[in-house]
Amino acid sequence: RKEVEQDPGPFNVPEGATVAFNCTYSNSASQSFFWYRQDCRKEPKLLMSVYSSGNEDGRFTAQLNRASQYISLLIRDSKLSDSATYLCVVPVGHKFYFGSGTKLNVKP
Amino acid sequence: DTAVSQTPKYLVTQMGNDKSIKCEQNLGHDTMYWYKQDSKKFLKIMFSYNNKELIINETVPNRFSPKSPDKAHLNLHINSLELGDSAVYFCASSQATGYGYTFGSGTRLTVV
Repeated sequence: RKEVEQDPGPFNVPEGATVAFNCTYSNSASQSFFWYRQDCRKEPKLLMSVYSSGNEDGRFTAQLNRASQYISLLIRDSKLSDSATYLCVVPVGHKFYFGSGTKLNVKP
Repeated sequence: DTAVSQTPKYLVTQMGNDKSIKCEQNLGHDTMYWYKQDSKKFLKIMFSYNNKELIINETVPNRFSPKSPDKAHLNLHINSLELGDSAVYFCASSQATGYGYTFGSGTRLTVV
């Protein structure tokens, strides 16, 4: 089983929509988690950290469900500029395991 | 001021050649990494150094050799390049292991 699994999408949503992505992980010892955003042909950039049950930053909310071993990212009031690939990251010891990413397309 | 800078940005080379990619960070971070992103966009760790000491060495062919002359620099040398080495190579740094990474802009390597 992979360390991190994500639905690759793409998720095609209109501007203003609310969209949510899930990510499951296999190592129950992981304590902290991250969401990164990667634009086409660019480097991944840290979007949010998730250390306990969840984290909120403006239109973005990340939640952690330890019992079911998944984290989610909710984006409210989607903007065209939110179009990107969203990568779920699970640290295991010294290593960060990246999911394969979920592609989001926000359409006018 | 670029936090994590990699050079070159693009590298096109023939099979069998030897090439190096350089990375420097000015964030004062202790830990640096090399990741490979293949054509399926999957990011996979290759190496990690903490304060010039190698702490992660994944199952990577020994044609790949990292070198960290000091904690602000982590270079990657690749011998006898193969077609399958074509990918984007990202350098990253973090304050310590377990903290979020800052990535460089990547080096797009194409082996022909």
